[in-house]
Amino acid sequence: AQSVTQPDIHITVSEGASLELRCNYSYGATPYLFWYVQSPGQGLQLLLKYFSGDTLVQGIKGFEAEFKRSQSSFNLRKPSVHWSDAAEYFCAVGTTSGTYKYIFGTGTRLKVLA
Amino acid sequence: DVKVTQSSRYLVKRTGEKVFLECVQDMDHENMFWYRQDPGLGLRLIYFSYDVKMKEKGDIPEGYSVSREKKERFSLILESASTNQTSMYLCASTIPGQGTYNEQFFGPGTRLTVL
Repeated sequence: AQSVTQPDIHITVSEGASLELRCNYSYGATPYLFWYVQSPGQGLQLLLKYFSGDTLVQGIKGFEAEFKRSQSSFNLRKPSVHWSDAAEYFCAVGTTSGTYKYIFGTGTRLKVLA
Repeated sequence: DVKVTQSSRYLVKRTGEKVFLECVQDMDHENMFWYRQDPGLGLRLIYFSYDVKMKEKGDIPEGYSVSREKKERFSLILESASTNQTSMYLCASTIPGQGTYNEQFFGPGTRLTVL
């Protein structure tokens, strides 16, 4: 079955520390991959996406993600976290065959310590 | 700037009531989606639409219906609200085409409480 797994429900980091949020997917073909961020009380905003080419993609707010086909992973990274990065992060897969739809992970809530 | 609006940010309804959640996008997008978001479950697709008067069931359509009479508006209907439909409801849209290459633009969400 198609699925997206974000194994970390909560992550706490200190401001200025590096960050890595994990995402693994299960899908028969190479999907389109997305990371979204949801600030409290708001909808989701796209951080970055991957569909082909260079496996390291850059996004907004200093985020990047690396697609690793062999590991079926698309982890999100940021070298230095800011307090304003505290939010919930969602990884999503866009299917590329059959019924086109997006499948979301369960989210990772990031807390940033001053 | 891209804009997806939802008619209410907070809504409180009683069990058995018919509930309408409205979503409007001003980007001339053809594809629109309704999700519900619950803690620990992420976003789950309820219904989506690729064109006016067209709809397809998502993963959890039971207890819901939708209406798309105009391109810019996609309504989610709870025919008879139940307490297990208490949730955050998110609307999204994407540019034309049935592929999922393009990112979704989300509204701010409607937090529905059914008493």
